[in-house]
Amino acid sequence: DQQVKQNSPSLSVQEGRISILNCDYTNSMFDYFLWYKKYPAEGPTFLISISSIKDKNEDGRFTVFLNKSAKHLSLHIVPSQPGDSAVYFCAASAGNFNKFYFGSGTKLNVKP
Amino acid sequence: DSGVTQTPKHLITATGQRVTLRCSPRSGDLSVYWYQQSLDQGLQFLIQYYNGEERAKGNILERFSAQQFPDLHSELNLSSLELGDSALYFCASSTQGNYGYTFGSGTRLTVV
Repeated sequence: DQQVKQNSPSLSVQEGRISILNCDYTNSMFDYFLWYKKYPAEGPTFLISISSIKDKNEDGRFTVFLNKSAKHLSLHIVPSQPGDSAVYFCAASAGNFNKFYFGSGTKLNVKP
Repeated sequence: DSGVTQTPKHLITATGQRVTLRCSPRSGDLSVYWYQQSLDQGLQFLIQYYNGEERAKGNILERFSAQQFPDLHSELNLSSLELGDSALYFCASSTQGNYGYTFGSGTRLTVV
């Protein structure tokens, strides 16, 4: 049972434009969300997080939006750069930071 | 270098065999997590240890086991290997109260 879903396996964006990566979840108890970025042959690296008490968190070019009623979060990258090309995973936790559920990832390709 | 060390990086073995994957967490981190990433799948949580004790269990098969030693390194033991066990196995660590994981670069296991 996939509690966190990333329905777009891939996304291609032109350099300088906005990249929007989406994530849906089914468990209403989830209250903490993370985005990770993964390059080939490397482990995922933490990118940005958001707590359910917020609906937006911004860190430089990266902004995560949370819509609790829709059980949906999105990661916006503005402006997109070729170095952002990677697989992005969203993850969610239900008050127990010991266990995060991950989506299947979205492969972002930023074209120069 | 994330600070989380996983060995070996690659492992090829035959069905029915047993292997041990090793993880050294980032200095100061007490929690170790194991995740499995099969082809085109998300990261599946296997198990978590905190300061030597099992803290949470996910979709870990009975053929798999793990432990965390007094020096905080962890080992994931996979036995009676099947072709379907071929995957990337990631270890992550975290500091108590730190909501983000730090992942190692993974061990790629191929069962032939």
